[in-house]
Amino acid sequence: DAGVTQSPTHLIKTRGQQVTLRCSPKSGHDTVSWYQQALGQGPQFIFQYYEEEERQRGNFPDRFSGHQFPNYSSELNVNALLLGDSALYLCASSLAWAGRTDTQYFGPGTRLTVL
Amino acid sequence: AQSVTQLGSHVSVSEGALVLLRCNYSSSVPPYLFWYVQYPNQGLQLLLKYTSAATLVKGINGFEAEFKKSETSFHLTKPSAHMSDAAEYFCAVSVRGKLIFGQGTELSVKP
Repeated sequence: DAGVTQSPTHLIKTRGQQVTLRCSPKSGHDTVSWYQQALGQGPQFIFQYYEEEERQRGNFPDRFSGHQFPNYSSELNVNALLLGDSALYLCASSLAWAGRTDTQYFGPGTRLTVL
Repeated sequence: AQSVTQLGSHVSVSEGALVLLRCNYSSSVPPYLFWYVQYPNQGLQLLLKYTSAATLVKGINGFEAEFKKSETSFHLTKPSAHMSDAAEYFCAVSVRGKLIFGQGTELSVKP
């Protein structure tokens, strides 16, 4: 049973550039959430996708956008990169019907460095 | 607003000693609480979760946590620490399907 996978593992960009991160959920899961984890901090919720629509959004600017595909995989896009966007980006998958009791399974993350 | 607070950003114990990592929550509704572990350069792995079925929750790797409503706490314990337990531990509360995390506690285990 494949777990959550993310690509790429590492990425280096310069300020002002755009980046796309990818996530494939755990087999059978239909909901994908994205989190940003700055160095030494707990993960912060960015947004959540279900049925190809953004269902919830955290306190992140519009530079952060996403997409979910019919196969439930997801992308996170960040435009006009800032130095402060440097972080570990985590994708998590879960089942919508289980609601807030369901476990979110995390991928290994993508380490983004903005120079 | 729902939130969690982890007391102590760093905890150090000797191998074989009791591990106690503290987590307090704030919630206006019955909370659903989780403990995750993160090893260096890896994602988060679920240790255990509380979903109101039982107040004492047993997880993987010998960890357990007790939900105490009167104290709004969900502390993580392990009777005997092992070197492999050294990692970052996060407490989280589920809010409409999204997780709100604490700041994390780094556990060091001394030989």
